[in-house]
Amino acid sequence: SQTIHQWPATLVQPVGSPLSLECTVEGTSNPNLYWYRQAAGRGLQLLFYSVGIGQISSEVPQNLSASRPQDRQFILSSKKLLLSDSGFYLCAWSVFPRRGGKELFFGSGTQLSVL
Amino acid sequence: KNEVEQSPQNLTAQEGEFITINCSYSVGISALHWLQQHPGGGIVSLFMLSSGKKKHGRLIATINIQEKHSSLHITASHPRDSAVYICAVRSGTSYGKLTFGQGTILTVHP
Repeated sequence: SQTIHQWPATLVQPVGSPLSLECTVEGTSNPNLYWYRQAAGRGLQLLFYSVGIGQISSEVPQNLSASRPQDRQFILSSKKLLLSDSGFYLCAWSVFPRRGGKELFFGSGTQLSVL
Repeated sequence: KNEVEQSPQNLTAQEGEFITINCSYSVGISALHWLQQHPGGGIVSLFMLSSGKKKHGRLIATINIQEKHSSLHITASHPRDSAVYICAVRSGTSYGKLTFGQGTILTVHP
């Protein structure tokens, strides 16, 4: 069965420090991969998506970057964190929908606090 | 005005009550999702709709494309249904490029 792993679950980082969040998917190949952020009191927002290795599209300008070094690995990074980067980060994956199947699958999320 | 509006923002119910959460959107869409987010933050996809109605257990989701409106119903609500329910719409062909509503916080008391 397909599973998605995201870590760490919580992270506290000082302003100006680097960031690396990792997401891996098992049980599927060539998925579309996504990073979402949920800031406190706000809705989810798509940050990046990838349709293949090395292919990254950014939805909003920001202090973050994403990379996809392997088919089922998606990494969210920052060289220098800002206070405004605090939030709940979710990785998700999808494949073209099959009859009766759910379309989008989410990881368990990372709560990032930048102090 | 947000592209996706949910109502109500907060909803409190007693166990057993019938619950309705509404979602209105202002753009043309190819599909609409209903998601459930539990207190720990994890999100589960409940439904994906492009027309009509879907049912899964005590949950029913409907969509009216002409009126740009969708509803999520919970019959015989239970405290374990307490969560944030999020409506999200997809207007492109990529299956994860969604625009999200602000969410509805549902609390069901025993």
